[in-house]
Amino acid sequence: QQPVQSPQAVILREGEDAVINCSSSKALYSVHWYRQKHGEAPVFLMILLKGGEQKGHEKISASFNEKKQQSSLYLTASQLSYSGTYFCGTEGAGSYQLTFGKGTKLSVIP
Amino acid sequence: EAGVAQSPRYKIIEKRQSVAFWCNPISGHATLYWYQQILGQGPKLLIQFQNNGVVDDSQLPKDRFSAERLKGVDSTLKIQPAKLEDSAVYLCASSLVGGSEQYFGPGTRLTVT
Repeated sequence: QQPVQSPQAVILREGEDAVINCSSSKALYSVHWYRQKHGEAPVFLMILLKGGEQKGHEKISASFNEKKQQSSLYLTASQLSYSGTYFCGTEGAGSYQLTFGKGTKLSVIP
Repeated sequence: EAGVAQSPRYKIIEKRQSVAFWCNPISGHATLYWYQQILGQGPKLLIQFQNNGVVDDSQLPKDRFSAERLKGVDSTLKIQPAKLEDSAVYLCASSLVGGSEQYFGPGTRLTVT
């Protein structure tokens, strides 16, 4: 079952914050977040494991609510380099396979 | 550390022709994945290998797609015969083990005319 991401697209000015959501209809073991710039390969951002942890590095962080089967990616004080399409990939218990959402296109403008 | 290598980067073929893609994962990575990414969509897993064994190929259209990973290192993905709807970017990724972070190659953009 493909996770649902929202919003589909968002435009920010430099310095603004954004939240991208990812929800699944099935029980999850982990959620992965990737960013893909136009014409390039997806790049790993972070993994969140079952347990409701929150992770982050620099100004990008994420949370995972296993009870609601939802994850959110938080981008604070956005920079031009944050532009791209963000994908969540969800993993069910014991599966080791990722099912990716359709992506959220983030555009940061000066 | 060298990344995931893929070739060719671009391929244009006519429908009903065959095509093959090659992938060399990061050294030491046991798990290798092939994804199909259609424009505007997220990557869709086609097949996952653990060393040279298949872990999951439930979404691989086996009547036309095949993949192998010889000696648990390089992998090839073949399409025969190709259809118009196979036009997509084919991404190869690898990870140390299943479930860990995946490193993607640059992809092969396939256009079927």
